[in-house]
Amino acid sequence: GAVVSQHPSWVICKSGTSVKIECRSLDFQATTMFWYRQFPKQSLMLMATSNEGSKATYEQGVEKDKFLINHASLTLSTLTVTSAHPEDSSFYICSAQGGLAGGPYNEQFFGPGTRLTVL
Amino acid sequence: DAKTTQPTSMDCAEGRAANLPCNHSTISGNEYVYWYRQIHSQGPQYIIHGLKNNETNEMASLIITEDRKSSTLILPHATLRDTAVYYCIAQGGNFGNEKLTFGTGTRLTIIP
Repeated sequence: GAVVSQHPSWVICKSGTSVKIECRSLDFQATTMFWYRQFPKQSLMLMATSNEGSKATYEQGVEKDKFLINHASLTLSTLTVTSAHPEDSSFYICSAQGGLAGGPYNEQFFGPGTRLTVL
Repeated sequence: DAKTTQPTSMDCAEGRAANLPCNHSTISGNEYVYWYRQIHSQGPQYIIHGLKNNETNEMASLIITEDRKSSTLILPHATLRDTAVYYCIAQGGNFGNEKLTFGTGTRLTIIP
């Protein structure tokens, strides 16, 4: 199946700094990428949906000015956590989807996740 | 999006078939049933999806009842590496840019 990578796999930062997480589709073009957040012992919660070349659509309760999403190309989306605080510590996971419904690489492929720890 | 209900946890002996049930009694006609699993500290892995016919691939089989109100994911010969949280999702569109809404899933533990 298709491969999605994330970088970095883990990051520790000081409170108040910004952190950028990259999500790449390695062998297919992703028209849509999704960003999820997962707290310990909880399920994945969708944060935003990002389509290449357009603004991301954020889920209710997710601050768009705090979680900046850029989907500048069909293989790369970035999530920047601005002015991170300890409560932003979480496991951030992206997924990528490409092609037409029912076509190849139509299912969502998930990245391995990025564990963010804010001190 | 149809709500799904899954048992919180299940155990299965290694080498046996693992049968994971999912209830989606409010599923609508155009909503598919997707199954993903998440091994600890990794991203979810796609397993299988279907609309109304039973489906099989190299990983698993998906059995959907005729009324589509429930389904069962079958791992035919469970191994220790199948220990994971399994998510059943009922959602519209054949991955037509539809976001996936994850529930709490079933924590499957394979016992040696």
